[in-house]
Amino acid sequence: DQQVKQNSPSLSVQEGRISILNCDYTNSMFDYFLWYKKYPAEGPTFLISISSIKDKNEDGRFTVFLNKSAKHLSLHIVPSQPGDSAVYFCAASGSTTGANSKLTFGKGITLSVRP
Amino acid sequence: DSGVTQTPKHLITATGQRVTLRCSPRSGDLSVYWYQQSLDQGLQFLIQYYNGEERAKGNILERFSAQQFPDLHSELNLSSLELGDSALYFCASSFSPGTSVDEQFFGPGTRLTVL
Repeated sequence: DQQVKQNSPSLSVQEGRISILNCDYTNSMFDYFLWYKKYPAEGPTFLISISSIKDKNEDGRFTVFLNKSAKHLSLHIVPSQPGDSAVYFCAASGSTTGANSKLTFGKGITLSVRP
Repeated sequence: DSGVTQTPKHLITATGQRVTLRCSPRSGDLSVYWYQQSLDQGLQFLIQYYNGEERAKGNILERFSAQQFPDLHSELNLSSLELGDSALYFCASSFSPGTSVDEQFFGPGTRLTVL
């Protein structure tokens, strides 16, 4: 049972345009959401997060939007750069700390940014 | 470089065998997490240790076990290996279980191939 779903396995965008990566979840107990970025031969690295009390969090070119009623979040990258080409994982947690803080990941989306 | 090291990078073995994966956390980090990434699943949380003691368990098979030693390095033992155990195994570390989930730092992973 996939509690965090990234239904599109890949996305290709032109450099300079917006990349929108989507993620859906089923567990209403999830309270904290994260995006990780992974390059080949490296482990995932934390990118940006959002708490369920917010609907938007922005960090430079990266913005995460959360729609709790739809159990949906998205990562926007504007403008997209070739160096953004990587696998992006959506993850969710029951809380930011403590026993519920284990991460549940989606399967990942491969983003390719064309020069 | 996250500061988390994992050995070996690659491991090829046969069904029925037993292997040990090793992880050294970042200097000062007390907590170690193990994740499995297989082709058909996202990153799945296996188990967490804090200062030598097991803190949380995820989707870890009974054939798998882990431990954290006094010097804080951790080993993941996989026995009676099956073809389906072929995957990338990631280790992550954080300062304490109370640390925010986005402060988990991932190692580069060990790629296990079971033939």
